[in-house]
Amino acid sequence: DVKVTQSSRYLVKRTGEKVFLECVQDMDHENMFWYRQDPGLGLRLIYFSYDVKMKEKGDIPEGYSVSREKKERFSLILESASTNQTSMYLCASKQEGYSVSTDTQYFGPGTRLTVL
Amino acid sequence: TQLLEQSPQFLSIQEGENLTVYCNSSSVFSSLQWYRQEPGEGPVLLVTVVTGGEVKKLKRLTFQFGDARKDSSLHITAAQTGDTGLYLCAGPYSSASKIIFGSGTRLSIRP
Repeated sequence: DVKVTQSSRYLVKRTGEKVFLECVQDMDHENMFWYRQDPGLGLRLIYFSYDVKMKEKGDIPEGYSVSREKKERFSLILESASTNQTSMYLCASKQEGYSVSTDTQYFGPGTRLTVL
Repeated sequence: TQLLEQSPQFLSIQEGENLTVYCNSSSVFSSLQWYRQEPGEGPVLLVTVVTGGEVKKLKRLTFQFGDARKDSSLHITAAQTGDTGLYLCAGPYSSASKIIFGSGTRLSIRP
């Protein structure tokens, strides 16, 4: 079974702090994703990575950066946390490919971040 | 602009009733997926539909992909309290690696 783990389930930070969210997957997947989930807005893609050291902006990258130094690990960084970044953050991974079997994204349990 | 619209946003029904939730788009998708997310967890894939008109069944859940591949529905027969959760539809866009999600239908089944 694919396992995607996230470093924290709950996190409380203060405005202006630098925040690191870590995600690790154990299935050797090429693609990794960071989403934020807000009520009524569904999941919105922040960044994704298709290979080590490769990244692409998603729909809402402002205020965030990412790092992928190893294939299994994808980090989301909030350089200076703000209250509007309070949200549920979900990490996902999937195989590279163009078939139904590679379309499945496997999600971690999420990190609920509160910025005060 | 939300490419995938889900309806209803919220649904609360009695155990044993039937229900249908919808996922609609003005765009054609090569495939659509349905995920269920339980409280405190990430979404988990239920099914992928690929062919226009396709119907897939997963026990009491029936998924249908529209003939034009712009919409999909999820029908639950004899709902159980364990069906409670957030149901999300999703489909690939712009590149095979990126998937867009609908805003979800939050389903609550009352005992």
